[in-house]
Amino acid sequence: NSKVIQTPRYLVKGQGQKAKMRCIPEKGHPVVFWYQQNKNNEFKFLINFQNQEVLQQIDMTEKRFSAECPSNSPCSLEIQSSEAGDSALYLCASSRLGGLVAETLYFGSGTRLTVL
Amino acid sequence: GDQVEQSPSALSLHEGTGSALRCNFTTTMRAVQWFRKNSRGSLINLFYLASGTKENGRLKSAFDSKERYSTLHIRDAQLEDSGTYFCAAGDTNAYKVIFGKGTHLHVLP
Repeated sequence: NSKVIQTPRYLVKGQGQKAKMRCIPEKGHPVVFWYQQNKNNEFKFLINFQNQEVLQQIDMTEKRFSAECPSNSPCSLEIQSSEAGDSALYLCASSRLGGLVAETLYFGSGTRLTVL
Repeated sequence: GDQVEQSPSALSLHEGTGSALRCNFTTTMRAVQWFRKNSRGSLINLFYLASGTKENGRLKSAFDSKERYSTLHIRDAQLEDSGTYFCAAGDTNAYKVIFGKGTHLHVLP
């Protein structure tokens, strides 16, 4: 169904450590989304890109995360200093056009981050 | 309040029966997508709708942007349909996709 590849599948970090996860979007999909899903199944939008440019991001992402989608390399999302509250499933999705304007989102399997 | 309200939060069905999941929106949405989270945790695409209805096997979905809701009907439920179902809608901001909180479906033998 989806060819979005996320690595690693699991990530365990101590508080204050950096946590980096990667995403390879489906081929031909210029738009990439990152979401955080908590244990209550709630999705929080973090950031999205069109090609290498950031389209939108929330305040938390701007202050505490580093994200990029370089050409010809995987997209990445990195928490600069992990906190216990960052423990969650991080989901990457890609689409051919901007969000749900005209196209379907395809999700990867996620990176489950545990911050000890 | 939440822009996407999904109901019910949990649902139990016996095999062979059916029911409907619903998402209500507090604002006008451009399109809706339905997913099922499988046992491995992957989000499987079920439907994408910008309007009207779509059907795929035992599943049928409808989206009414004007009335601000979408539904997912399941008929003849099977054990493998168990999982958590999510709707996600795109609002008038083209890049913002908002998820419902999910419906946990348990199909009983």
